[in-house]
Amino acid sequence: DQQVKQNSPSLSVQEGRISILNCDYTNSMFDYFLWYKKYPAEGPTFLISISSIKDKNEDGRFTVFLNKSAKHLSLHIVPSQPGDSAVYFCAASSADRGSTLGRLYFGRGTQLTVWP
Amino acid sequence: SAVISQKPSRDICQRGTSLTIQCQVDSQVTMMFWYRQQPGQSLTLIATANQGSEATYESGFVIDKFPISRPNLTFSTLTVSNMSPEDSSIYLCSDLGNGYTFGSGTRLTVV
Repeated sequence: DQQVKQNSPSLSVQEGRISILNCDYTNSMFDYFLWYKKYPAEGPTFLISISSIKDKNEDGRFTVFLNKSAKHLSLHIVPSQPGDSAVYFCAASSADRGSTLGRLYFGRGTQLTVWP
Repeated sequence: SAVISQKPSRDICQRGTSLTIQCQVDSQVTMMFWYRQQPGQSLTLIATANQGSEATYESGFVIDKFPISRPNLTFSTLTVSNMSPEDSSIYLCSDLGNGYTFGSGTRLTVV
């Protein structure tokens, strides 16, 4: 049972434009969400996170939006750069951030390609 | 955040053999997690390893197949036992910290 879903296996965007990666979840107990970036032959690298008490978190070119009523989150990358080309994983947890985090549930990932 | 060194980075193994994957963390961490990523799939948690106690396995994973050691707060191993081609995956360890740091992964191919 896939509790975190990334329905787009791939996304292709021109350099300079916005990349929007989407993620849906089914478990209403999830209250902490993370995005990871993964290059080939490397482990996932933490990118940005958001707690369920917020609906937006921004870090430089990366912004994550959370819509709890829709159980949907998205990652916006503006402007997109060729170095952003990687697989992006969405993950969710049901433990409160700041205390002991519980296990993470991952989506299957979206391959982002940013072309010049 | 912690830095995790994982080895081997890749291996090709004969079916029926076992492979032990090691993860070394540069700081003491309470919990370590072992994940598997099969081709085209998401990362799936195998087990959670606490120092001084037995690992907690997720549904579908058993200790006889994936024994885990956690001798101290900076080190853990995962063994993939009696391997079959279905065990061909990327195996990853992770610590519990800000954003969950991952090792670089072990790409295992069983032939």
